[in-house]
Amino acid sequence: DSGVTQTPKHLITATGQRVTLRCSPRSGDLSVYWYQQSLDQGLQFLIHYYNGEERAKGNILERFSAQQFPDLHSELNLSSLELGDSALYFCASNPGQGFGYTFGSGTRLTVV
Amino acid sequence: GNSVTQMEGPVTLSEEAFLTINCTYTATGYPSLFWYVQYPGEGLQLLLKATKADDKGSNKGFEATYRKETTSFHLEKGSVQVSDSAVYFCAFQGAQKLVFGQGTRLTINP
Repeated sequence: DSGVTQTPKHLITATGQRVTLRCSPRSGDLSVYWYQQSLDQGLQFLIHYYNGEERAKGNILERFSAQQFPDLHSELNLSSLELGDSALYFCASNPGQGFGYTFGSGTRLTVV
Repeated sequence: GNSVTQMEGPVTLSEEAFLTINCTYTATGYPSLFWYVQYPGEGLQLLLKATKADDKGSNKGFEATYRKETTSFHLEKGSVQVSDSAVYFCAFQGAQKLVFGQGTRLTINP
């Protein structure tokens, strides 16, 4: 157990639907990062939050959004889902800039 | 732009063979460098890191040395085991995020 908790572990949904992925960072970590891992594209950075504030955005589609709550957990919302959104979504946390990241075990999203 | 280039996989070796996975990066300045490992069905785990030039990171028999002259951080292990079969990712600390390479799938046969 890395200390970063992601739920659900697996999610199967239909095209056009909306889902919410949840991440609880390791205790004491203020930063949360979201990454998408597709079979052919490696790890793509989506977004970074630090203590509730958005700090950086990567290749995140407009259909996707995220937030970090006062208790530091984070949610990634994916809407109008397409087949191509099927991927592993990872959350990672760290105490701040310059520290290594601790990853959760991921949520496997399958869009059918 | 900032990027990481890793040796393309898959790599297949026999047990006790010597392993090298090449990694080079393009970045501003001298960022911290990392190797992560992903075992089947799991998330990424930090394997080792180096924060400045000539630093050597090591863990579980794996080593990598930060070479600023060649902007490289090659991963090595002297004698691999079947349990080392996994996907290995090289990464550097960019602004507000880790930048990852594409990953190298390693399979070790008994």
